[in-house]
Amino acid sequence: KAGVTQTPRYLIKTRGQQVTLSCSPISGHRSVSWYQQTPGQGLQFLFEYFSETQRNKGNFPGRFSGRQFSNSRSEMNVSTLELGDSALYLCASSQLAGSQETQYFGPGTRLLVL
Amino acid sequence: QKEVEQNSGPLSVPEGAIASLNCTYSDRGSQSFFWYRQYSGKSPELIMSIYSNGDKEDGRFTAQLNKASQYVSLLIRDSQPSDSATYLCAVISNTNAGKSTFGDGTTLTVKP
Repeated sequence: KAGVTQTPRYLIKTRGQQVTLSCSPISGHRSVSWYQQTPGQGLQFLFEYFSETQRNKGNFPGRFSGRQFSNSRSEMNVSTLELGDSALYLCASSQLAGSQETQYFGPGTRLLVL
Repeated sequence: QKEVEQNSGPLSVPEGAIASLNCTYSDRGSQSFFWYRQYSGKSPELIMSIYSNGDKEDGRFTAQLNKASQYVSLLIRDSQPSDSATYLCAVISNTNAGKSTFGDGTTLTVKP
């Protein structure tokens, strides 16, 4: 099976712009989660989608939004970019097996905001 | 108190030694536990998952879970320089499907 894919891999934007990141989960996985990783804050949960519905949301401002399509692919959007949004954005997909859930991460999108 | 805490690093062991990584969590509803390895500049790579109390072995890696003590550990036997990385402990609660809560990570260096 192909793994989780993310596009683009690298992105440079300027403050005030917006950005859209894309994630394709492992085939058959219906849950897609997004995380932000920075040196200072570690890995922080943004939100999770399952069957096109947001099930869980982390403590991020409304500038961060996402959606999931019927084929389970997901996009994340950040509007009005700030310097502090520079980070590695990771997408993870999972397929529940009973009560056992395992997340597999994509390669990430490294975003630099200038 | 952080939801997931890992022993502070960095941890340095000689090649061939056993590396021991520890993690505690606060949510008693947690039911899925993971160890990820992350090389610098790369995304986390799943190396072990454990769901029930006891030990789980996979090659040189052994994960140990004790839900009563809210403790999960990872042992790496016969450590190799290629094991040098940051190890992240992650937990999923039964009330928060799809959300992994991560520790800050422990950086392991294996010296030849």
